[in-house]
Amino acid sequence: GQQLNQSPQSMFIQEGEDVSMNCTSSSIFNTWLWYKQDPGEGPVLLIALYKAGELTSNGRLTAQFGITRKDSFLNISASIPSDVGIYFCAGQNGGSQGNLIFGKGTKLSVKP
Amino acid sequence: NAGVTQTPKFRILKIGQSMTLQCTQDMNHNYMYWYRQDPGMGLKLIYYSVGAGITDKGEVPNGYNVSRSTTEDFPLRLELAAPSQTSVYFCASRRQDYTFGSGTRLTVV
Repeated sequence: GQQLNQSPQSMFIQEGEDVSMNCTSSSIFNTWLWYKQDPGEGPVLLIALYKAGELTSNGRLTAQFGITRKDSFLNISASIPSDVGIYFCAGQNGGSQGNLIFGKGTKLSVKP
Repeated sequence: NAGVTQTPKFRILKIGQSMTLQCTQDMNHNYMYWYRQDPGMGLKLIYYSVGAGITDKGEVPNGYNVSRSTTEDFPLRLELAAPSQTSVYFCASRRQDYTFGSGTRLTVV
């Protein structure tokens, strides 16, 4: 089946630093999504990208849908302690199901 | 709106026991999904439903069953629990964007 390669697996950074993570796939997707998961909770949508080449921001978060439709990145600027969590990319194809394929996640730890 | 509600939050099962994980949503979404999340992994799709009365298998359906008799409810059934089913289970629903429940942590011993 389709697989997503998400990197890095984990990051340990200083508060105030910028963060970058990315996802690649061997097959194309129509939509790329980025989620954050806090401990004991389900994933929460951060950014959705619907068009190849699209660059979208949500506060300190910026994400891009790769032009080949096989990759996406997420940047977090000026990280703060509440950014701690696991970030997942997910690819979605069209069709009635709209099922998501998830990456394995990037665990972000922030040192105050 | 409560969103997507999952019960129970935690459960320990013995090998061979059965149980039903409950999921209900109050957003009138047609699409509903069950995912499992193993440690250090992303979520994998078990079953999904595109509307009441319609269900289909996802990537990892073996050992599970689902039903969708109403728009609101999408229970997941484990008939003969096995240690490999130890995981965190997430239910989700969507119109366009997904809304996830807070999960059920299941341990099979």
